[in-house]
Amino acid sequence: DSGVTQTPKHLITATGQRVTLRCSPRSGDLSVYWYQQSLDQGLQFLIQYYNGEERAKGNILERFSAQQFPDLHSELNLSSLELGDSALYFCASSIGTANVGYTFGSGTRLTVV
Amino acid sequence: AQSVTQLGSHVSVSEGALVLLRCNYSSSVPPYLFWYVQYPNQGLQLLLKYTTGATLVKGINGFEAEFKKSETSFHLTKPSAHMSDAAEYFCAVSEGKAAGNKLTFGGGTRVLVKP
Repeated sequence: DSGVTQTPKHLITATGQRVTLRCSPRSGDLSVYWYQQSLDQGLQFLIQYYNGEERAKGNILERFSAQQFPDLHSELNLSSLELGDSALYFCASSIGTANVGYTFGSGTRLTVV
Repeated sequence: AQSVTQLGSHVSVSEGALVLLRCNYSSSVPPYLFWYVQYPNQGLQLLLKYTTGATLVKGINGFEAEFKKSETSFHLTKPSAHMSDAAEYFCAVSEGKAAGNKLTFGGGTRVLVKP
C-alpha cells in the first residue's frame, strides 16, 4: 500500500457519459498529480494541484477537469466520454512542489464502451 | 522541452544475468531523473532518483543507475536478475519547479526473466 488511495479501481461506462475519479493523497502530501496511461500514448501528465490550487497543466482535454478540495483529496472529472478515453488513470502525490519523486496510487482503469 | 527515450520496448534476460535498461533524455535545464517499476495491475513504484550530487545512484531491490551528463543518459542496471524483476520499467525526467514538477516518461521497457 503506497498510501495514495484511488477509487474506484475499475469503471465501465458508455460513450457520452461523465465519470468522477477520486484520489486521496498520502498523509502529509500537499501536491496531487494526475496521469493517464494508455497503450498508444503511454504515460501522459494531465494536471497538478498544490494545496488546492492548480499549478501545472499538461495534455488535458477540455472535456476533462479536476480540483483539489480543502481536505486535499482530488477528483478528476471526465465528461462526454469517447472510446479513446479508455485508459488507466493514476494519481500521485508529493510533499510539496520540490520534485523528489512522487508516490503513485494503484490507478483507476476506465473502460468506455 | 523535456523528453525521454528508452531503447528497447522488451528485454529478455536469464535469471542471474545482468539487467541493463537504457534511457536517454533531453532537457533544457539540469534534470531530475527517475526510474519507476510497474508490476502487473499495480501503480508505479519509485526505484531510484537522481537530483544532484553523486552520479551513481543506488535504489531498491539491488538496482542502480548512473547519470552521465555528456551522454545525456541514465541507464539502469542490476548485476543479477531475479524472477521477481519481471515487470515494466519507466525512465522519467523532470525539469523541476520551472516545469511544474511534471514527469515526462519514456515509453517503458518490459523485462522478461527466463529461468
